[in-house]
Amino acid sequence: QSVLTQPPSVSGTPGQRVTISCSGGSSNIRSNTVNWYQQVPGTAPRLLIHSNTQRPSGVPDRFSASKSGTSASLAISGLQSEDESDYYCAAWDDSLNGWLFGGGTKLTVL
Amino acid sequence: ELQLEESGGGVVRPGGSLRLSCAASGFTFDDHGMNWVRQVPGKGLEWVSGISWNGGNRGYAESVKGRFTISRDNARNFLYLQMNSLRADDTALYYCARVGGDSGSYGGRGMDVWGQGTTVTVSS
Repeated sequence: QSVLTQPPSVSGTPGQRVTISCSGGSSNIRSNTVNWYQQVPGTAPRLLIHSNTQRPSGVPDRFSASKSGTSASLAISGLQSEDESDYYCAAWDDSLNGWLFGGGTKLTVL
Repeated sequence: ELQLEESGGGVVRPGGSLRLSCAASGFTFDDHGMNWVRQVPGKGLEWVSGISWNGGNRGYAESVKGRFTISRDNARNFLYLQMNSLRADDTALYYCARVGGDSGSYGGRGMDVWGQGTTVTVSS
């Protein structure tokens, strides 16, 4: 289906590892690559991961991602207070002939 | 420095029109596909429209198809979004964003450079 589903929120304590899931379908995640964005409220989104697993320069290696079938996930290890942000997955959708964003996940660092 | 700067937002009545502009600098503009993405305050990101490096390929979200037109001027390094027949649910912060890599498509790799956005408010 042409929807990307993310959990509304996740939380963790400093130093912990958290994961954010992104579930899609055959027209998006299965057949195209997944990107992940980080957005601190009040600022523009920042590309965190592209092409399923690739980190742009400047993104710490604490951030990693994977994809399998119609699902993808973002992992953040060694959680830090500055990681508290909204995270979005995105993938090209062949049915829509355009980009599809997940609903976003708010990460709270306790 | 890679930079995108949007302008042209404002308050408009339902049924009205606006043209958004996005000025690009610090990179070779016509190497990249470009997109418009919007965000209602407190809500998620929504893709609006995209255009390939030479304007030959364009796409629109169903919600704006037939009302919005994307275009670009590679000589001046500008991206545009002409918005007609505006509705209340078009109210949002509109970002322009560059697609990374050198494919020139508005799909493919992620959007690696974003502007700060321009606010569009549709209200009577």
